[in-house]
Amino acid sequence: EVQLVESGGGLVQPGGSLRLSCAPSGFTFSDHYMDWVRQAPGKGLEWVGRTRNRANSYTTEYAASVKGRFTISRDDSKNSLYLQMNSLKTEDTAVYYCVRADSSGYFDYWGQGTLVTVSS
Amino acid sequence: DIQMTQSPSTLSASVGDRVTITCRASQSISSWLAWYQRKPGKAPKLLIYKASSLESGVPSRFSGSGSGTEFTLTISSLQPDDFATYYCQQYESYALTFGGGTKVEIK
Repeated sequence: EVQLVESGGGLVQPGGSLRLSCAPSGFTFSDHYMDWVRQAPGKGLEWVGRTRNRANSYTTEYAASVKGRFTISRDDSKNSLYLQMNSLKTEDTAVYYCVRADSSGYFDYWGQGTLVTVSS
Repeated sequence: DIQMTQSPSTLSASVGDRVTITCRASQSISSWLAWYQRKPGKAPKLLIYKASSLESGVPSRFSGSGSGTEFTLTISSLQPDDFATYYCQQYESYALTFGGGTKVEIK
């Protein structure tokens, strides 16, 4: 059974940093593209970014709203996905989901999410 | 970025009703469209990919159609488990974008 478990969410002040982690299981992590998607309170779903697999050189893509502030990385040897968030803004407050992606682009498995609150 | 517009934003229906949700893209996305179901407190679930391909394990009452800029998700006979919010998503190009969602409520 595919499972994706996020951790690392919490309360952080504007301008601060936070690192989210995702622990995947039930599939060969190294074969897959992995994404982060978020949902702010009362808002819809927003794609944050993607890391491709080793076969595609672990290249990344980001939404314009987070580019230059957020970094997605992965450690296939530890079966782990990360989202490093710097220079956080109040508008980054959201539930962040770790998502497994098909190489064509859709999301076939989602985690339960971890809440990030950016507030003073 | 490609804008995705869903309609209606809310839909009231009864068990057994045929339900149709529309998703429009601001430019052609060929068939690079997925549909998800979201229930409160649960992770989104993939229903349809490539506009009309049913994800494994998803009931056959769900179907998707369309190409280019206009797409539909149809539930042929609404079941109690189907009351949820539905989202479309394009994956023709980055940034990947979602529609605003359609909440299917009990009439």
